[in-house]
Amino acid sequence: RKEVEQDPGPFNVPEGATVAFNCTYSNSASQSFFWYRQDCRKEPKLLMSVYSSGNEDGRFTAQLNRASQYISLLIRDSKLSDSATYLCVVRSAGGGNKLTFGTGTQLKVEL
Amino acid sequence: EAGVVQSPRYKIIEKKQPVAFWCNPISGHNTLYWYRQNLGQGPELLIRYENEEAVDDSQLPKDRFSAERLKGVDSTLKIQPAELGDSAVYLCASSSRHTRSGANVLTFGAGSRLTVL
Repeated sequence: RKEVEQDPGPFNVPEGATVAFNCTYSNSASQSFFWYRQDCRKEPKLLMSVYSSGNEDGRFTAQLNRASQYISLLIRDSKLSDSATYLCVVRSAGGGNKLTFGTGTQLKVEL
Repeated sequence: EAGVVQSPRYKIIEKKQPVAFWCNPISGHNTLYWYRQNLGQGPELLIRYENEEAVDDSQLPKDRFSAERLKGVDSTLKIQPAELGDSAVYLCASSSRHTRSGANVLTFGAGSRLTVL
């Protein structure tokens, strides 16, 4: 089983729609969680961290469920510019600064 | 502030040839990472440095890959000899500590895209 698993998609949604992605992780002792965004042929960039209590940044909401070992990303009112690949990232327990990436979920927002 | 700088951006070589990639991290970032990303996949860690020390190189194919970060600043990643399966984007990243979570947040360079023919 992979350390971090994501549905690769693509998720094709109309502009204005709400879309949610999940990511599961295998190590129950994992400590920190992030969502990165990667545009086509570009480098990944931090979108947001994921906190235990859940957190929101504008149209984006991230949540963590430690019991079920998954994190989620909700995008409301999707924009064309949200089209990208969203990478789930987990910091391993006891691994110092080791960050493990999922394969990414591709989102395509259409007119 | 300058970001993470990588060179070359693109490299095309024939198999069995050597290739080297260079990375200059963000000033003051002690942790430097080399990742490899294949098409349709997430980045996979090759090696992580804390200052000049390689603290995690378990995923580095040591028979053909080598890396160094001599003065704890810039770094090079070398492949010798290259194989067809090495075609990928090689991403360098450096990190600072996230103020709230205490975890490290990565800033990536633009990557070096390698094609092995």
